[in-house]
Amino acid sequence: DTEVTQTPKHLVMGMTNKKSLKCEQHMGHRAMYWYKQKAKKPPELMFVYSYEKLSINESVPSRFSPECPNSSLLNLHLHALQPEDSALYLCASSQSPVGVAGVWDGSAEQFFGPGTRLTVL
Amino acid sequence: AQSVTQLDSQVPVFEEAPVELRCNYSSSVSVYLFWYVQYPNQGLQLLLKYLSGSTLVKGINGFEAEFNKSQTSFHLRKPSVHISDTAEYFCAVSVGIYNQGGKLIFGQGTELSVKP
Repeated sequence: DTEVTQTPKHLVMGMTNKKSLKCEQHMGHRAMYWYKQKAKKPPELMFVYSYEKLSINESVPSRFSPECPNSSLLNLHLHALQPEDSALYLCASSQSPVGVAGVWDGSAEQFFGPGTRLTVL
Repeated sequence: AQSVTQLDSQVPVFEEAPVELRCNYSSSVSVYLFWYVQYPNQGLQLLLKYLSGSTLVKGINGFEAEFNKSQTSFHLRKPSVHISDTAEYFCAVSVGIYNQGGKLIFGQGTELSVKP
């Protein structure tokens, strides 16, 4: 199974709502990623989890709160978002968590989910 | 800092014609290079990757790419395209951050539009 699933596919929320995006993989990958993609733009990294611990936060506003409850699941909690946060949110996973020596294997493929299209009103 | 430049934002081409999507990277160290494809309303799918060794890399769906270290290029080619190849194509380089992990840095993307 080389699939990354994401739910929901579409989400519309108001600026005062709290919602969550969910990502799941069963490939045994111990690195998981959240990307944000605006229309006609490349994906931009938001967060990286390595062995269920947050290892990279690309200076993302605190209204986005990631969570990795176990090695298969990755959540992104959303609160008080702005209209400019409307985008496609992509989850990915790979076999390359940070190694014992602090080294990361950049050769490993990242497997992407289909994304959640978020609209903030 | 590592970066990726895709030289064409849009490439229109007729069905069964050859196509080349251009990608240049900047890096002072050895690189791992990737081409991903994104079909409308979908996530990204890996087409091929260059890690080391042979400079000609073959991928899925009949695509191939050539790594050229002297020109710092990694152009994607297909000898005969199909309507179904219409998609956004991203070139990417992986960047490691010691003790934290790593990430993909993407080019701006090339929209391939195949016309009948």
